Amino acid sequence: QVQLVQSGAEVKKPGASVKVSCKASGYTFTSYDINWVRQATGQGLEWMGWMNPNSGNTGYAQKFQGRVTMTRNTSISTAYMELSSLRSEDTAVYYCAREAGTLGIGSWGQGTLVTVSS
Amino acid sequence: SYELTQPPSVSVSPGQTARITCSADALPKQYAYWYQQKPGQAPVLVIYKDSERPSGIPERFSGSSSGTTVTLTISGVQAEDEADYYCQSADSSGTYKVFGGGTKLTVL
Repeated sequence: QVQLVQSGAEVKKPGASVKVSCKASGYTFTSYDINWVRQATGQGLEWMGWMNPNSGNTGYAQKFQGRVTMTRNTSISTAYMELSSLRSEDTAVYYCAREAGTLGIGSWGQGTLVTVSS
Repeated sequence: SYELTQPPSVSVSPGQTARITCSADALPKQYAYWYQQKPGQAPVLVIYKDSERPSGIPERFSGSSSGTTVTLTISGVQAEDEADYYCQSADSSGTYKVFGGGTKLTVL
């Protein structure tokens, strides 16, 4: 079965960077886009961007352009999301999720809590 | 920036029908998707391509589209359906995805 397993919780200071990993299994990693979505406590879902694991092509929400980088290592079926210049407002649960084209985002990781605090 | 508008909350009694709307200008051109999220859990896709239901999703969940509004309908609401529901689509170019603000469904 499709599984996306994310790295553990992180605590970072303002101005630092964080890199979250997402290891895929149960399907061909390069065949489906990976999206990253975050959710602050008590708030809604916020789309951050996507990556095509085959080509490495990416697309980022305007809000995060210049601060987010999505990469992958196909040899270990793992996607990464790095967010820089962290501020307190970036405290949230970050999800990776597999998109099956027009079939939607059907599989999600368990989420990674990133806390930004001095 | 492009936005999808949902009502913050909807309340229904068990067995009734719940309707959650989502409005935006580009919805006639882009598919809409609906996700259910329960506390402490990752979202679950319940409707894709406006009105298609993934395998494993109960038949009481349905979706429809009319102009700039899409609607998630839950017929015969059950207590287990109490959750936050989010619509998701893309801007007119299809470049940027966006989620609605979410609707909290309360089963009275």
